[in-house]
Amino acid sequence: DQQVKQNSPSLSVQEGRISILNCDYTNSMFDYFLWYKKYPAEGPTFLISISSIKDKNEDGRFTVFLNKSAKHLSLHIVPSQPGDSAVYFCAASPYTGGFKTIFGAGTRLFVKA
Amino acid sequence: EPEVTQTPSHQVTQMGQEVILRCVPISNHLYFYWYRQILGQKVEFLVSFYNNEISEKSEIFDDQFSVERPDGSNFTLKIRSTKLEDSAMYFCASWRGDRLYGYTFGSGTRLTVV
Repeated sequence: DQQVKQNSPSLSVQEGRISILNCDYTNSMFDYFLWYKKYPAEGPTFLISISSIKDKNEDGRFTVFLNKSAKHLSLHIVPSQPGDSAVYFCAASPYTGGFKTIFGAGTRLFVKA
Repeated sequence: EPEVTQTPSHQVTQMGQEVILRCVPISNHLYFYWYRQILGQKVEFLVSFYNNEISEKSEIFDDQFSVERPDGSNFTLKIRSTKLEDSAMYFCASWRGDRLYGYTFGSGTRLTVV
C-alpha cells in the first residue's frame, strides 16, 4: 500500500546549492500535503504544507510545489545548509474523521560543506 | 515551544509480556496519534484519537493494541502480548486541528521485544 512514494532514498548536495526532493501520490482523496524533517533519535518535525487548491507555498528557504494533474509534489531548499542534512518525509492527509497522515519512505539528504 | 513527551525512551520486554507506552501531548491539542517505524522502514499510522475515542485505526492496530487517555493529560498505547515483530520506534503525536499545520511528534519510544 504505497499511497505516498519517495523514489529517491538519498540525495547529496553541495552547500549553497538547491536541494530538490520529490514525491508522488496515488490517492485522489488527499487534500493536504506536508513535509517533515527527521534527525536521528528524534521524532519527525513538521516543515511546510500545501493545500490541494494551491500549487506553491513558500516559507523562507523552503518551497513546496504541487502538480495535481501529475500527482506529484516537490520540496525545494535554497540555499542548502549542512544543518539541513536529515531524512525528509513527504506526507499526505485525506479528509477523514481522524485526519490521519500517510508518510512516504523518506529521502536522506546530505548537504556537503 | 510546547513539546510532546514520551516515556520511556527505550523499553526492552520479553515476548508475550504486556507493555504500556506513555505520552503527554500538548495540552490544548485536540487530536492524538500513535505511529510506529520499524527499523529501516516507513513511518506507519496506527491509530487516531479524538474526543476520548478512537476515530480511525489501521490494520496493524488489532485486538492486541489499545489506547487510553485516562486522566486528560496522558495518552497511552498498550500492547497486551508483545511479539518479536512489534519491535519498533513508537511515536506519539498531537495536533491542534489546523490542517495547514502538521502534527507535533514526541521523540519516540524504542521498543525491543526479545
